[in-house]
Amino acid sequence: KAGVTQTPRYLIKTRGQQVTLSCSPISGHRSVSWYQQTPGQGLQFLFEYFSETQRNKGNFPGRFSGRQFSNSRSEMNVSTLELGDSALYLCASSWDPGQTSTDTQYFGPGTRLTVL
Amino acid sequence: AQSVTQPDIHITVSEGASLELRCNYSYGATPYLFWYVQSPGQGLQLLLKYFSGDTLVQGIKGFEAEFKRSQSSFNLRKPSVHWSDAAEYFCAVHPPTISNFGNEKLTFGTGTRLTIIP
Repeated sequence: KAGVTQTPRYLIKTRGQQVTLSCSPISGHRSVSWYQQTPGQGLQFLFEYFSETQRNKGNFPGRFSGRQFSNSRSEMNVSTLELGDSALYLCASSWDPGQTSTDTQYFGPGTRLTVL
Repeated sequence: AQSVTQPDIHITVSEGASLELRCNYSYGATPYLFWYVQSPGQGLQLLLKYFSGDTLVQGIKGFEAEFKRSQSSFNLRKPSVHWSDAAEYFCAVHPPTISNFGNEKLTFGTGTRLTIIP
C-alpha cells in the first residue's frame, strides 16, 4: 500500500504570495492532519480534516486554511506569505474508526517551503 | 493542556552502545503515546506506539519503549545502536478520544537529536 504523498516537495515563494500544498493520504484513510515544523517552534498542529470537514484547528492565523476532497485528498493554502512561514509542512493520515479513535497517524515526506 | 517533555536535546553514543531517550508527558488521563523518527530532510516514521495493555512495547528497527504510569514516562530504548540510527527522535501524545469530534491531534516533544560515533 502506498504511503502518504505530498506535492510539491520543495517550493520557493516571495513575501505576499500565496501557496497551495497537496496531500494524498494512504488509501482508505479518512482523516488528514497538517503540521508545521520549524527549528524554533518544533512540530505544531495546523488542522485536521475528516469527511471534507475541518474537525480541529490549531493556533494559526486565518491565512492558513485547508480543505479536503471527497477522495480524502487534502490541500492547505497559505495566503499573504510571511518570512516566518518558511517551514517543513507535514501531512499525516489515519484511518480514524471514529468512536474508539485508536488510530495512528502516518506522515508524508513533507513540503519544504521557503519564503524569500 | 497536554504537554510532552524530551529533556535531552542532543545525545551522542558510540556505535554498539545502548541507548535510552527520555520522554515525560503531562495529561489528565493516560494518553496514547508514540515515538517517531525523522531523518534529515524526511518526514516522520512511526517507531512504536502504546495504547493500552503490556507496558513494554516493541517497535521497528529493534527499538522498544516502556510506559510507566507512576512516572508519566515513555522512554525509548535500544540495546545496541547502529550508525543508521542517527536521526531526530520525537515523542508524541494523542488524547484517548472517544468522540466523533475529539481533539484528535498529536502533541510533540521538542525532539532529541541522536549522533552516533564510530
